[in-house]
Amino acid sequence: GAVVSQHPSRVICKSGTSVKIECRSLDFQATTMFWYRQFPKQSLMLMATSNEGSKATYEQGVEKDKFLINHASLTLSTLTVTSAHPEDSSFYICSASSAQGYEQFFGPGTRLTVL
Amino acid sequence: EDKVVQSPLSLVVHEGDTVTLNCSYEVTNFRSLLWYKQEKKAPTFLFMLTSSGIEKKSGRLSSILDKKELFSILNITATQTGDSAVYLCAVVINDMRFGAGTRLTVKP
Repeated sequence: GAVVSQHPSRVICKSGTSVKIECRSLDFQATTMFWYRQFPKQSLMLMATSNEGSKATYEQGVEKDKFLINHASLTLSTLTVTSAHPEDSSFYICSASSAQGYEQFFGPGTRLTVL
Repeated sequence: EDKVVQSPLSLVVHEGDTVTLNCSYEVTNFRSLLWYKQEKKAPTFLFMLTSSGIEKKSGRLSSILDKKELFSILNITATQTGDSAVYLCAVVINDMRFGAGTRLTVKP
C-alpha cells in the first residue's frame, strides 16, 4: 500500500516551453501533497505544499507563477514548470500524505532537463 | 519491481539509548543509498552510501551499506530528544525509491 507515482519519469524540453509533472497516490487518498526539488549534494528543498481543493502554499523564494501547482483531486497533484529554463533542470520529487496519518510517501521523482 | 523496505516502522526509546534502523532493498541498477532525517519540512540529507563495508560517520550517527545482502543500517548512539524524527532511506536507481520511513521517538 501507500504507493505514489510520478509521470513522466524523465523529460527533456527546450528552453521556453512548459512542462507538466503529475503526482498520483495510487491506493490512498492524499489530502496533502508536497513538491520537492533535489539540489546538488542530495539535499531536498520543499517547494510547496498543496491541499486538495485549495491553493498551494509556496515556500519562501519559490516563484508561484513559475511553478504552478494544482491539486484538483484526492489522488492527483500536478506541477507545471512554466517557460522552463536550463537552471530549472533538476530532479523533482512529490510526496503525499493522507488525512489519517502524517507519514509522507514519496514518489520516484521526475528528472527534468531543459536544453 | 523495485522496492525499499524500512524497519521498524516506529520506535520509541529513552534518551541515551542506541538505536539501529534498517533499510533493505531489491532494485535493479543500484547506484547509491541515501539516508534522510525528516522533522517538519524537507528531509535533511544525512549520508550517501555507494560502497559496501565503508562506514560513514557524522557525530553520533553512522551508517553502513551491505551490497551483497542488500541492506543498510543507520545507527544513532546516545540518543537525544532532538533525534526524534522520521528517518527515510532512499535508493537511487534511474530515479529514486523511498522507503516508508522509521518514526523514531526519543523520550526524556
